Amino acid sequence: QSALTQPASVSGSPGQSITISCTGTSSDVGSYNLVSWYQQHPGKAPKLMIYEGSKRPSGVSNRFSGSKSANTASLTISGLQAEDEADYFCCSFTRSTTYVFGTGTKVTVL
Amino acid sequence: EVQLVESGGGLVQPGRSLRLSCTASGFTFGDYEMTWFRQGPGKGLEWVGFIRSKTYGGTPEYAASVKGRFTISRDDSESIAYLQMNSLQTEDTAVYYCARVGKVAGVDAFDIWGQGTMVTVSS
Repeated sequence: QSALTQPASVSGSPGQSITISCTGTSSDVGSYNLVSWYQQHPGKAPKLMIYEGSKRPSGVSNRFSGSKSANTASLTISGLQAEDEADYFCCSFTRSTTYVFGTGTKVTVL
Repeated sequence: EVQLVESGGGLVQPGRSLRLSCTASGFTFGDYEMTWFRQGPGKGLEWVGFIRSKTYGGTPEYAASVKGRFTISRDDSESIAYLQMNSLQTEDTAVYYCARVGKVAGVDAFDIWGQGTMVTVSS
């Protein structure tokens, strides 16, 4: 099972919006509405930001939103803030009853 | 407070075994599927495997990279999930995390994570 493809880095200025893509196949991202997104600050455990493609857990800012089209999922951060600087990983359930993560994207706030 | 705490990490020689524990508190452990992940130094997240709740058979699934070497089990009476790692290799060096699959709580994703435990495989 190959890792889902994410851009290595994305950057933006405070207040701007950025979008991170997560490309898989018809055997994972395209098969289920079970893509989730995780934020990870250095030395910390990952934190769930989006689940089932577009849902936000309680406590997560509404500046974070998710979507999916065919085999590609996306995470959009609007109104970028300094605290959003972190690594972001997507994850999908697969037809093989396993999970696969994305390669990870480093978000830099300029 | 809902919490997961991993333990059991450390330095181990190649070919040896190690067992990690993931102790849960603040929720009904037996209702939830539990998952293990790892993250090598400077690398991304890798799913290792999960174990279903007893309601769904209590059976595990594994990533191809660890199948046959790693075993996931659970003790619902103690609220602990285990990761037994055998025939360890240098490439197994990583921080190991456990997480809850929050499906029962309406969140079909890894909603609660532990802080991680470091495993170093080296001679």
